[in-house]
Amino acid sequence: GAVVSQHPSWVICKSGTSVKIECRSLDFQATTMFWYRQFPKQSLMLMATSNEGSKATYEQGVEKDKFLINHASLTLSTLTVTSAHPEDSSFYICSARDARQDYGYTFGSGTRLTVV
Amino acid sequence: DAKTTQPPSMDCAEGRAANLPCNHSTISGNEYVYWYRQIHSQGPQYIIHGLKNNETNEMASLIITEDRKSSTLILPHATLRDTAVYYCITAGTSYGKLTFGQGTILTVHP
Repeated sequence: GAVVSQHPSWVICKSGTSVKIECRSLDFQATTMFWYRQFPKQSLMLMATSNEGSKATYEQGVEKDKFLINHASLTLSTLTVTSAHPEDSSFYICSARDARQDYGYTFGSGTRLTVV
Repeated sequence: DAKTTQPPSMDCAEGRAANLPCNHSTISGNEYVYWYRQIHSQGPQYIIHGLKNNETNEMASLIITEDRKSSTLILPHATLRDTAVYYCITAGTSYGKLTFGQGTILTVHP
């Protein structure tokens, strides 16, 4: 089945620095990928829709200048958390859909970001 | 906002069937019902999806009512490893985004 690889699985960074998270579709092409954020004991919250070759579509309340999304190829989308602060500490998850298959979206394993 | 309603938690004995309900009374005609689960600190895992017919795969069965306003996910023989948060989501087929509700915390106990 479809596999989505997400790296790194965890990262600790200092406040004020930027962190890049990668999301790759390993065995299929994905023109659209999705980025979610999840705080402890809460559900997943959709942050943005990443579109290959065009600008991402952000959900209401998500700062596009803080969460930079780049989807430069059909197999890679990146999320960069710029000038990270402790309140950005969260679990970030990406997902993509394999158009060849009749099943739903495949999710990455997530990235635990801790800003100190 | 999520368009589904699920009980916040459920318990099930190991080896017994787990029946997880979901209400989606505002579902559109072209929307599927998807079920995912999330084990702690992992990404959600696809379980099953359906449009209007009942579906079964190696993981579970999905029963959708005739009016499509509710559904039930059935894990026929629950194991301890099935302890997770289960999400019921409705979405169209044209690469629409998935909006997660609060889900049901299923605890399988010995």
